[in-house]
Amino acid sequence: EDKVVQSPLSLVVHEGDTVTLNCSYEVTNFRSLLWYKQEKKAPTFLFMLTSSGIEKKSGRLSSILDKKELFSILNITATQTGDSAVYLCGPYNQGAQKLVFGQGTRLTINP
Amino acid sequence: DTGVSQDPRHKITKRGQNVTFRCDPISEHNRLYWYRQTLGQGPEFLTYFQNEAQLEKSRLLSDRFSAERPKGSFSTLEIQRTEQGDSAMYLCASSLARGHDEQYFGPGTRLTVT
Repeated sequence: EDKVVQSPLSLVVHEGDTVTLNCSYEVTNFRSLLWYKQEKKAPTFLFMLTSSGIEKKSGRLSSILDKKELFSILNITATQTGDSAVYLCGPYNQGAQKLVFGQGTRLTINP
Repeated sequence: DTGVSQDPRHKITKRGQNVTFRCDPISEHNRLYWYRQTLGQGPEFLTYFQNEAQLEKSRLLSDRFSAERPKGSFSTLEIQRTEQGDSAMYLCASSLARGHDEQYFGPGTRLTVT
């Protein structure tokens, strides 16, 4: 059975802080890992990671994958209130051709 | 807006009624996925289509659920004899083709069964 665990489940920080969100996974036929940001509605795509050790960056967000230890992290530096959302980690099971999502980390940025 | 669209956005129904949701994927995407998301949880995979063929179904998809994508474009998800446990957000996503793992989600249909 595929399993994805995200931690922490909830995080409250002040604007300007740096946060690290964790995702560990056990997924059969793993091919890639995707990160999404979900505010009040649809998850929006952030990153797709396929190779270990190669950091992907987009502005203040960055992410890295470790395929040996089966985890990924998402970093957000200089957080802003607009970063408040649920962040979802989704490894891709290429056998079943589906994303397997974790419970998500609810991030709240206080001004 | 050329993203994934879903209709309706909200649906309230009484237990035992049938409901149908529609999803229109991004036009050049030939893969379409349905997920269900309950409060405080991540999306759970239900089923997916490659063009008009339904290639994978989760065991979460009981025989009260049926999905179609008749011409390989839009898709419908029908729930028959709804139960209170069916209350959830139903999300549709699409992706370009096999080998393209990025899925783009629609706004979802929130179903409330009373």
